This record gives sequence, structure tokens and C-alpha cells, in this order.
Amino acid sequence: EVQLVESGGGLVQPGGSLRLSCTASGFTFRDYWMSWVRQAPGKGLEWVANIKRDGSDKFYVDSVKGRFTISRDNAKNTLYLQMSGLRAEDTALYYCARDPTVFGVPHFDHWGPGTLVTVSS
Amino acid sequence: SDELTQPPSVSVSPGQTARITCSGEALPRQHVYWYQQKPGQAPVLVIYKDTERPSGIPERFSGSSSGTTVTLTISGVQAEDEADYYCQSGDISGSYYVFGIGTKVTVL
Repeated sequence: EVQLVESGGGLVQPGGSLRLSCTASGFTFRDYWMSWVRQAPGKGLEWVANIKRDGSDKFYVDSVKGRFTISRDNAKNTLYLQMSGLRAEDTALYYCARDPTVFGVPHFDHWGPGTLVTVSS
Repeated sequence: SDELTQPPSVSVSPGQTARITCSGEALPRQHVYWYQQKPGQAPVLVIYKDTERPSGIPERFSGSSSGTTVTLTISGVQAEDEADYYCQSGDISGSYYVFGIGTKVTVL
């Protein structure tokens, strides 16, 4: 059974930093692109960043470029999101999601339960 | 434009049919994926590549496509289908993920 479990969320002051982790199990982690997707309270879904199977390519939504860094450790089956320069508008539930796409439009087939990040003084 | 347009809400009586549309200029060239999100839960993929249903998803969920609009249809709606539904496709380049605003389905 595919499982994704996020951790590392919490309350942080504006300008602060936080590192999220996502531990994967039940599948060969290194064979999949992985993403972080966030959902602000009462709002819709927003893709944040993704990373290629071997970590060689990374992409970000414009609003987090230069502040967030996605990475992965395939030996530990773990995905990370290092967040710095946090703003109130980064407050959201952050999901880890698996992308099974080989060809065509990228999408997600499994999601973790999410970890909540609150940016507030 | 890579925007996806969904109605904010749809209301339906139990046993009736709910139809949720998703419109976008690029949709004749790109597939759409539908996710169901119940309150307090993570999204679940219910339709992929416009019309395909993942294993474990009830047959009452179906998808169709016509030009710039794709439609998620829930036939014989049940109370447990009350949720937010998001369509998703790629951006203009087809490389990144674009979500619609989500449609709240209310079962009356």
C-alpha cells in the first residue's frame, strides 16, 4: 500500500524557516517525480514545487522561487521542502504528492494527509 | 491562457445526477484529472485522462470531454459524495500543474 506521511509543520514567525519532510513507503520512491502541494485555510489547491526522480530537475511556482527548496533522499525514501523567508500567505496545509506521469500532463495519484504550516507573529 | 474554470458550487438531491464542468483553452490538447476532497481529508484521484476511473472508484463517477470543456458526472449521487471536486491539467507548456478553483458539491 502506497503511503506518504508528512511532518515538520508548525507555527513560525514571519521571516522564519521550516523544513518539511515526507516519508514514502509501499512503492519504489526513486521511480517517481514528487511534489509539494499546499492549501490555504478555506482555499483551493496550489502546486508548490516538484522534483525529478533522481533530483536533477526541480521546479517551483513563482511565489516561492528563491525562498523554498525541494530535495529528496532516495536512500531514505524521503522528500523535503526547506522553506525560508516565510510570509503570512504561506500559511497552509502542505501535502506531499506522488506523480506517476511517464508521458503527458503531470498529475497526482497519491497524496499524504498533510502537515500544517502557520506563519504568524 | 492555462486557467481552468469551474462553477463554485453544485447542489443535487440524492439519487440525481451531478455534473461539474471544467473549461480551459488548452483542454482540447491536454488531459484533465479530477480529485475529490472531503472535509479534513487529502484529495483523492477519481478520474484521470478525462474519462478513466482508477480502481476502487465507484462506477457512478464518470468523465467526458468536448472541445474546451470536460465534465465530471456523478450518477445516482449519494450523501457520501458531498465534497469539493477539483479539476487539474497542465500549464500552457504542459509541464506544470494547474488546478481549477474547486466545486463544492452539496447533497440536499
